[in-house]
Amino acid sequence: GAVVSQHPSWVICKSGTSVKIECRSLDFQATTMFWYRQFPKQSLMLMATSNEGSKATYEQGVEKDKFLINHASLTLSTLTVTSAHPEDSSFYICSARDMGRDSSPLHFGNGTRLTVT
Amino acid sequence: GENVEQHPSTLSVQEGDSAVIKCTYSDSASNYFPWYKQELGKRPQLIIDIRSNVGEKKDQRIAVTLNKTAKHFSLHITETQPEDSAVYFCAATHSGNTPLVFGKGTRLSVIA
Repeated sequence: GAVVSQHPSWVICKSGTSVKIECRSLDFQATTMFWYRQFPKQSLMLMATSNEGSKATYEQGVEKDKFLINHASLTLSTLTVTSAHPEDSSFYICSARDMGRDSSPLHFGNGTRLTVT
Repeated sequence: GENVEQHPSTLSVQEGDSAVIKCTYSDSASNYFPWYKQELGKRPQLIIDIRSNVGEKKDQRIAVTLNKTAKHFSLHITETQPEDSAVYFCAATHSGNTPLVFGKGTRLSVIA
């Protein structure tokens, strides 16, 4: 089945530093990938829609200059958390749909647990 | 945009009993409704989904029903087992390049 690989699975960084998270579709092409954030005991909240070859679309309240998204190829999207602060500590998870298959469900990466100290 | 409401937020059942989780959606254009199970610290796992051209779908102990007119869809788990304990999320979307909008989740506890 379709696989989405996300790295790293966890990261601890100091306040003020930047962290890059990678999301790869391993056996399908994804023109669009979605980045979600999940705080403890809460639901998954869409942060942005990553579009291959064009700018990402950010949800209201998500700072595009803080959460940089790059979708340079049909199989890779990256999310960079810049100047991280403790309140950015969360579970970040990407997802993608195999557009080559009709009625394909959304596939999730394993997620990245970010802790900012 | 789409808004998905999910109830209850927590649910405790005795092992062997049934569990029902209900969701409503606001966008009549939504046509795909998946359910995910998430265990602590892990990614959501798709357990069942239903499309708007179907009213009910069943997979062993899990079933989902959809009422398009009322914009309701529900997850039914029968003969619950302790390993069913997790957080369950409903979601809705159009097909294509649109994201899933999730409900707030239901924490299911199955008591042995």
